[in-house]
Amino acid sequence: GIQVEQSPPDLILQEGANSTLRCNFSDSVNNLQWFHQNPWGQLINLFYIPSGTKQNGRLSATTVATERYSLLYISSSQTTDSGVYFCAVEMKTSYDKVIFGPGTSLSVIP
Amino acid sequence: DVKVTQSSRYLVKRTGEKVFLECVQDMDHENMFWYRQDPGLGLRLIYFSYDVKMKEKGDIPEGYSVSREKKERFSLILESASTNQTSMYLCASSLPRPSSTGELFFGEGSRLTVL
Repeated sequence: GIQVEQSPPDLILQEGANSTLRCNFSDSVNNLQWFHQNPWGQLINLFYIPSGTKQNGRLSATTVATERYSLLYISSSQTTDSGVYFCAVEMKTSYDKVIFGPGTSLSVIP
Repeated sequence: DVKVTQSSRYLVKRTGEKVFLECVQDMDHENMFWYRQDPGLGLRLIYFSYDVKMKEKGDIPEGYSVSREKKERFSLILESASTNQTSMYLCASSLPRPSSTGELFFGEGSRLTVL
């Protein structure tokens, strides 16, 4: 099956710093989503981004489908950005089946 | 707002017990999913359902079954709970692809401990 890798696995940032999270996937995909899981466990969809670039406030994401990777940029990080960031892909061969990467755990310290 | 509600936030069960985890969504979504989350492993798909009474195995279906008798409700069943099923269980729903973006909406999770 498809393999989804995320890097780095863990990241500690000083408040105000910028960061880039990466998601690599081993096969062609129909769809890619980025999620944030807050410290209480709730998963929130950040971006639906099968290709191209999107921005939402301090967050932006870029997916290069032909090279099988996606990047999530966090600028001017805040303590509320702490949590785990997941990318999730929908396999080309199976609509609706969504596979998650292992996540990047981010801690933003004041 | 889409709301996905999981019946229990925390459960403690004994080995061998039958366990039901319930999930209800209120947005008329065709697709519903059950994932389990374990440290370092991310979310792993157990089962998903793309319509009433329809289901497909995910990557780790062993030891689990599901039921979808109504569109809004998707149940995960552990026939005989074991300690290695101690985990966080997450339910999600979405509209079907390719007619939609397939954006997933998650419940708050059910943390199951099997003693």
